[in-house]
Amino acid sequence: GAVVSQHPSWVICKSGTSVKIECRSLDFQATTMFWYRQFPKQSLMLMATSNEGSKATYEQGVEKDKFLINHASLTLSTLTVTSAHPEDSSFYICSAYEQVTGELFFGEGSRLTVL
Amino acid sequence: QKEVEQDPGPLSVPEGAIVSLNCTYSNSAFQYFMWYRQYSRKGPELLMYTYSSGNKEDGRFTAQVDKSSKYISLFIRDSQPSDSATYLCAMRKDTGRRALTFGSGTRLQVQP
Repeated sequence: GAVVSQHPSWVICKSGTSVKIECRSLDFQATTMFWYRQFPKQSLMLMATSNEGSKATYEQGVEKDKFLINHASLTLSTLTVTSAHPEDSSFYICSAYEQVTGELFFGEGSRLTVL
Repeated sequence: QKEVEQDPGPLSVPEGAIVSLNCTYSNSAFQYFMWYRQYSRKGPELLMYTYSSGNKEDGRFTAQVDKSSKYISLFIRDSQPSDSATYLCAMRKDTGRRALTFGSGTRLQVQP
């Protein structure tokens, strides 16, 4: 089946630094990708919808200047957490629709720890 | 009030037991209902996908949707220790390729 890959799977950074997380659709093209955040023992909360070649659509309460999303190609979307702080520590998961079948695939997630 | 409510558990059952997992929702516009399984520190994987009310069976798993009650269920028969994971219900309003709305997930532990 189709695979969505995230990198890195785990990252630790110092407060104030920026971290980039990549989401790739490995064997299909994805015009739309979604970024979720999941805190421990909580549900996946949608952060933004990433559209290839256009600006991302952010959910209410998500700071677009803090969470920069770029979807420059049909197989890659990136989430950059700028000036990260400890409260940004979370599990970030991306998902993408396979264009032909319409099936939604999730990445393995990226765990961010900000010290 | 959350759009989708799910008991977080944990739910602990002996191996071989029948497990019942449930979600309620408030928005009658939801039409498509899914159950995902998520192992610790991994992304969710799709288990079941149903449209509107009714039942769907796949091996040991049965999904039920009752739109009149805004209530969905997932049953796991002959539960195995490998079923131990967090189970998330999710739903969507239309056929468009939109994001899903998730429940908070129920943590299941199947004891050998």
